[in-house]
Amino acid sequence: GESVGLHLPTLSVQEGDNSIINCAYSNSASDYFIWYKQESGKGPQFIIDIRSNMDKRQGQRVTVLLNKTVKHLSLQIAATQPGDSAVYFCAENLTNQAGTALIFGKGTTLSVSS
Amino acid sequence: DVKVTQSSRYLVKRTGEKVFLECVQDMDHENMFWYRQDPGLGLRLIYFSYDVKMKEKGDIPEGYSVSREKKERFSLILESASTNQTSMYLCASSFYGISQHFGDGTRLSIL
Repeated sequence: GESVGLHLPTLSVQEGDNSIINCAYSNSASDYFIWYKQESGKGPQFIIDIRSNMDKRQGQRVTVLLNKTVKHLSLQIAATQPGDSAVYFCAENLTNQAGTALIFGKGTTLSVSS
Repeated sequence: DVKVTQSSRYLVKRTGEKVFLECVQDMDHENMFWYRQDPGLGLRLIYFSYDVKMKEKGDIPEGYSVSREKKERFSLILESASTNQTSMYLCASSFYGISQHFGDGTRLSIL
């Protein structure tokens, strides 16, 4: 079936390291991707997005890379901080007859230790 | 900033009860969504709405219904609550279905 998934359910890093969270998607027609961060007790929060006509987009300490050839998406967090500890989801924008909807991956839990 | 407000953070109900979960957004977004989030299953779409009085089924609509009488408000209804509907429920809104903004969720327990 068509779904968005993440390679690893958990990732542990040391404070100051760079983190890379990966995501594989299966719908080659998807034209838009989003990364969300969900902290404990809160709803998902938008981090960064990328359109399919781009292969890289940078924000503040975060970079999203898109490889359409292998249908792979990654989120890179530079100089990871304890406040980055959360669950990270990728989401794929799917357009069908009813309109557009996001399909979410299952999430990667990032743990940052001091 | 967009604000999506869910009426309750925690809710405990009994099996067979009719349960209403309310969601209000303040950015005049056309699109609103209801998801449930369960460990190991991620976010699953229950229902969504692209306009007032309009609704579309998501991936897991069984046992649920929705109401959108006003643009800013989207209600999720459990017609007869069951224990397998114990979950975290998340509401979201967006402009044209992308960059969805989420509320902080309602953790619903059905006893």
